[in-house]
Amino acid sequence: ETGVTQSPTHLIKTRGQQVTLRCSSQSGHNTVSWYQQALGQGPQFIFQYYREEENGRGNFPPRFSGLQFPNYSSELNVNALELDDSALYLCASSLPGSPAANFGPGTRLTVL
Amino acid sequence: GNSVTQMEGPVTLSEEAFLTINCTYTATGYPSLFWYVQYPGEGLQLLLKATKADDKGSNKGFEATYRKETTSFHLEKGSVQVSDSAVYFCAPSNSGGYQKVTFGTGTKLQVIP
Repeated sequence: ETGVTQSPTHLIKTRGQQVTLRCSSQSGHNTVSWYQQALGQGPQFIFQYYREEENGRGNFPPRFSGLQFPNYSSELNVNALELDDSALYLCASSLPGSPAANFGPGTRLTVL
Repeated sequence: GNSVTQMEGPVTLSEEAFLTINCTYTATGYPSLFWYVQYPGEGLQLLLKATKADDKGSNKGFEATYRKETTSFHLEKGSVQVSDSAVYFCAPSNSGGYQKVTFGTGTKLQVIP
């Protein structure tokens, strides 16, 4: 059984640029959530996708957007990057209605 | 929304010591409760879970019991090892609607030989 995978592992961008992060969900999991984890903090919920539609969102501005594809993989897009966007971005997949989520290893984004 | 309060770290223990990490939560409805662990430089791993009151979750020698009356989910282990050094997150999920897990700031555990 393949777990959650994310790419790239690390990324360096400059302020104002745009970035796309990718996630492949665990086999059979059709719900994908994204979290942002700043250094020394707990993860913060960004949004969740189910059946290719966003069905829940945390307190993040619209420049954070996402997509889910028919194979349940997902992208997180961040426009107009700010220095405070530097963080570990975690993707988690789960079955619908299941409270347990499996997390990927994360993408470390650094904004200079 | 949900919130979590965990004991502040770092918690430093000698190998084979008893571990307790306290966790209390506020939530509406009947959340499921989780403990996640994050090893240095890695993502989150689900350590254990409990989905209803009085359930006990257990894994790898760790245990936690869902106490609805005290809204607590304390993590315990009888004998810690150096390999248990990590950051531990207590996390309730919301009940109903979409599944969202709320994390606190975590408790860092350091186990010394």
